[in-house]
Amino acid sequence: QQQVKQSPQSLIVQKGGIPIINCAYENTAFDYFPWYQQFPGKGPALLIAIRPDVSEKKEGRFTISFNKSAKQFSLHIMDSQPGDSATYFCAASRPPAAGNKLTFGGGTRVLVKP
Amino acid sequence: EAGVAQSPRYKIIEKRQSVAFWCNPISGHATLYWYQQILGQGPKLLIQFQNNGVVDDSQLPKDRFSAERLKGVDSTLKIQPAKLEDSAVYLCASSPNQWGKGNTEAFFGQGTRLTVV
Repeated sequence: QQQVKQSPQSLIVQKGGIPIINCAYENTAFDYFPWYQQFPGKGPALLIAIRPDVSEKKEGRFTISFNKSAKQFSLHIMDSQPGDSATYFCAASRPPAAGNKLTFGGGTRVLVKP
Repeated sequence: EAGVAQSPRYKIIEKRQSVAFWCNPISGHATLYWYQQILGQGPKLLIQFQNNGVVDDSQLPKDRFSAERLKGVDSTLKIQPAKLEDSAVYLCASSPNQWGKGNTEAFFGQGTRLTVV
């Protein structure tokens, strides 16, 4: 059962472009939405996270936009660089009282061309 | 701070053989996760431990997969017997969060790439 749907599967942009990755969720009990970045041969690493009481969060060149009513959230990579080429996963977590289980989306492979 | 350690990095076995993976989480982290990541897909949670107790194993194929976390620290995941469809990267992650408290920042190891032939 895929509870977090992610799109697109892959994305190619030129250096300086803004890749946008979208995720949608079904379970309204989710209350924590992290994004993970994964390079080949490495485990995922936390990039940025947001809670549903906030509509936008920025950390450096990475921005999360959150639309609670639509049950959607997205990642924007501003001024993208070749070093940002990686696979990005959105995820969602149930409330702490439910055990902090993390559910991942299918991933988006981003390629930033020089 | 040392990260999550996993071994081996790679393993090739024949179908119907058994295999075991080992994970050493970040010191002091109460929560430990095992994820299966099939090529081109997102990680899928297999089992979640809180200290040495299981809090979620709903997606663990219990007829062939087993896991334990001794003394609430290291963990092993075993597959017996392996099938071709078990070919994947097995990721271990740990989190400092106690069950029911705080958010969920999970730190991942590099994973073990299993190939079943």
